Amino acid sequence: AQSVAQPEDQVNVAEGNPLTVKCTYSVSGNPYLFWYVQYPNRGLQFLLKYITGDNLVKGSYGFEAEFNKSQTSFHLKKPSALVSDSALYFCAVRDKGQGSQGNLIFGKGTKLSVKP
Amino acid sequence: KAGVTQTPRYLIKTRGQQVTLSCSPISGHRSVSWYQQTPGQGLQFLFEYFSETQRNKGNFPGRFSGRQFSNSRSEMNVSTLELGDSALYLCASSSQGATDTQYFGPGTRLTVL
Repeated sequence: AQSVAQPEDQVNVAEGNPLTVKCTYSVSGNPYLFWYVQYPNRGLQFLLKYITGDNLVKGSYGFEAEFNKSQTSFHLKKPSALVSDSALYFCAVRDKGQGSQGNLIFGKGTKLSVKP
Repeated sequence: KAGVTQTPRYLIKTRGQQVTLSCSPISGHRSVSWYQQTPGQGLQFLFEYFSETQRNKGNFPGRFSGRQFSNSRSEMNVSTLELGDSALYLCASSSQGATDTQYFGPGTRLTVL
């Protein structure tokens, strides 16, 4: 069965410093991986996805993620954090077990706190 | 293009009642998925509809049901509400394929008293 793990409940970063939010996955076959961000009382906003090709994926708001097949990881990164990046971040994998679409399986989420 | 819209944004119900939530997908999107978000269980998949047919279903009791109309709008219904049904219900739409991105609406916050 497909699964995603986000090992850190919270990540604290100073503004201007680089940030990393970790994600590891377990899937059969090639993974389809996604990152979403959720601000308080809001839905999920899509940041980026990995389907195939270049292991470094660039997304919205200056975020990027690196797909590492040998370590089964898909960590989210940003070179310079902003206070406005403070939010809840979710890693997700597409479940390919049923049908041709498959639902998203989400990690538990990581709360990112960026201090001025 | 307008994003995914969900109505109502907030609902307060009492145990035993039923509730219907509505979702309008992005124009041209034919797939609508529903998720439940709670502090304890996180984000869990409820079901997915594509071209008016339920294509995929999560592990929820039969009290949770849904449907999709010919214009791709979708509704989900929860009957005989329980306290544990209090959650943020999120709807997501996508074109159709397995690699397509799911775009989420703002959610409906359901509180069961």
